[in-house]
Amino acid sequence: EAGVTQFPSHSVIEKGQTVTLRCDPISGHDNLYWYRRVMGKEIKFLLHFVKESKQDESGMPNNRFLAERTGGTYSTLKVQPAELEDSGVYFCASSQDSFRGRRDTQYFGPGTRLTVL
Amino acid sequence: AQSVTQLGSHVSVSEGALVLLRCNYSSSVPPYLFWYVQYPNQGLQLLLKYTSAATLVKGINGFEAEFKKSETSFHLTKPSAHMSDAAEYFCAVSLSYEWNMRFGAGTRLTVKP
Repeated sequence: EAGVTQFPSHSVIEKGQTVTLRCDPISGHDNLYWYRRVMGKEIKFLLHFVKESKQDESGMPNNRFLAERTGGTYSTLKVQPAELEDSGVYFCASSQDSFRGRRDTQYFGPGTRLTVL
Repeated sequence: AQSVTQLGSHVSVSEGALVLLRCNYSSSVPPYLFWYVQYPNQGLQLLLKYTSAATLVKGINGFEAEFKKSETSFHLTKPSAHMSDAAEYFCAVSLSYEWNMRFGAGTRLTVKP
């Protein structure tokens, strides 16, 4: 069974440009999460989808970040325009459960390393 | 608000020695606790999780962790380190009413031959 995949693995862009990251969750997983790790710091939650709906986007840093999940399958995270502080590793994770109180494992992708120059 | 502190950003042990990676959390309600490992160029892989059942949790690759409420700790241990254990380890906490996890800053484990 394929795991969580992310594309691209690396992206180098200049300040002010736009970048779109893609995440394909494990097939059948309703929950999809985005996290980010800025250099040397902790991994931080960005947002959570249940199927195609945003359940929690409290971690999104500002309105330059836009996440979508088309048809409840893959998800994209767009940064427009990118700033220097957006550099870091963006992780996507998915899990199966849709009921609170059950804590199914979140499976992580390898991440996308974004560098903004 | 809950938070996670991992003591020591770098830990170095000799092959065959005990591995101890420390994690303390703060939470106003009973938490779910996790340890993840990241090998080079790979995603985070779950080692083990505590979900209010047994306080001693056994995970993959010989790792285990003990939930100690009185000490608000969830330290990760392995009796004998292997070279293949070299990686970065993350402790994380999640609450029953939240879906997201909060991570510590990570501990990079080096295993010397």
